[in-house]
Amino acid sequence: DIVMTQTPLSSPVTLGQPASISCRSSESLEHSDGNSYLTWLQQRPGQPPRLLIYKISNRFSGVPDRFSGSGAGTDFTLKISRVEAEDVGVYYCMQATQFPQTFGQGTKLEIK
Amino acid sequence: EVQLVESGGGLVQPGRSLRLSCTVSGSTFGDYGMSWFRQAPGKGLEWVSFIRRNVYGGTTEYAASVKGRFTISRDDSKSIAYLQMNSLKTEDTAVYYCARGQYVADYWGQGTLVTVSS
Repeated sequence: DIVMTQTPLSSPVTLGQPASISCRSSESLEHSDGNSYLTWLQQRPGQPPRLLIYKISNRFSGVPDRFSGSGAGTDFTLKISRVEAEDVGVYYCMQATQFPQTFGQGTKLEIK
Repeated sequence: EVQLVESGGGLVQPGRSLRLSCTVSGSTFGDYGMSWFRQAPGKGLEWVSFIRRNVYGGTTEYAASVKGRFTISRDDSKSIAYLQMNSLKTEDTAVYYCARGQYVADYWGQGTLVTVSS
């Protein structure tokens, strides 16, 4: 199974400041079709997960452009350019390149 | 607007069975594979199962923790995906989410709580 490791596990951020979350996979996420199926999900308190970023860097419909994804191979990053109060929650990276699909442990974003 | 609604959760004793349903609207159901995920109380997300589109044979995948006990299926005429859960264990207690898609789980339901307890 591919192991996904996120850092940090907790991220206190000041409103208006940037935030960054890293995700490392135990092996390359490049699929035989040339895509890397690395997804970032946001889970606000009491809510289901919501898709933010897919295939490393593609923002899903309706996701604010302050969210961006980058990376390749085994190292990936989610960045929030200016944190807003509504961004509080837990962020997960997930790989869907191969079964079983696996998640990082989650990073809790909170406001200082 | 794409919507996924899970149902069928509840309190069940260890060893018993439960069937979850995921009803999809606003989308051509048959064009997508469907996934089930779960989240134990206070824990992270875990993938449970996936079923491909019927054009790909409707073949299935399972997490090792549920293989042989859970069965995923789909009824394209009703736009519903099912998760039949047998021989339930206390460690299956979780909120179960369905999601659309294989490589990109783009839409998720609100979840249904399954509690396995005597």
